[in-house]
Amino acid sequence: RKEVEQDPGPFNVPEGATVAFNCTYSNSASQSFFWYRQDCRKEPKLLMSVYSSGNEDGRFTAQLNRASQYISLLIRDSKLSDSATYLCVVSRLNSGYALNFGKGTSLLVTP
Amino acid sequence: NAGVTQTPKFQVLKTGQSMTLQCAQDMNHNSMYWYRQDPGMGLRLIYYSASEGTTDKGEVPNGYNVSRLNKREFSLRLESAAPSQTSVYFCASRTGNNEKLFFGSGTQLSVL
Repeated sequence: RKEVEQDPGPFNVPEGATVAFNCTYSNSASQSFFWYRQDCRKEPKLLMSVYSSGNEDGRFTAQLNRASQYISLLIRDSKLSDSATYLCVVSRLNSGYALNFGKGTSLLVTP
Repeated sequence: NAGVTQTPKFQVLKTGQSMTLQCAQDMNHNSMYWYRQDPGMGLRLIYYSASEGTTDKGEVPNGYNVSRLNKREFSLRLESAAPSQTSVYFCASRTGNNEKLFFGSGTQLSVL
């Protein structure tokens, strides 16, 4: 089983829609969790950290379920500029706590 | 602050040639990382340096070497390039465990 698994998509949604991405991780001892955004041919950039209690940043909400080893990202009122690949990221406990990336979920928001 | 700077941005090599990818960060970060990204594979860790003076293998280290020259700089060397090393390479850094990563803008490498 891969350490971090995501539905690759693509998710095609109209502007204004709500879309949710899911991610599962295999190592129950993982300690830090993030969502990164990557635009085509660009470097990944941090979208938000994910905290145990759940957290929100504007239109974006992240949830963590440690018991189910599951992370989610909810985007409300989608904008055209939200079109990108969203990477689920989990710390790994070997490799110096380097971050382990999922393969990403592609989102296309259409007019 | 420039953040994480990688050079070159693009490189074409012939099989068997060698080259070094340079990475420098000006954020006083302790940890630095090299990832490669291939279509359908996601980002995979090649080597990392948890602190100045230390380096360790990641998930896909074969064919690569690294040097943590000082706290700022972490270079990746391909001694004898192979077509399988055609990829986009990202350098990243962060201040410590459980902190977010900052990435350089990437190097597109093609090995013919």
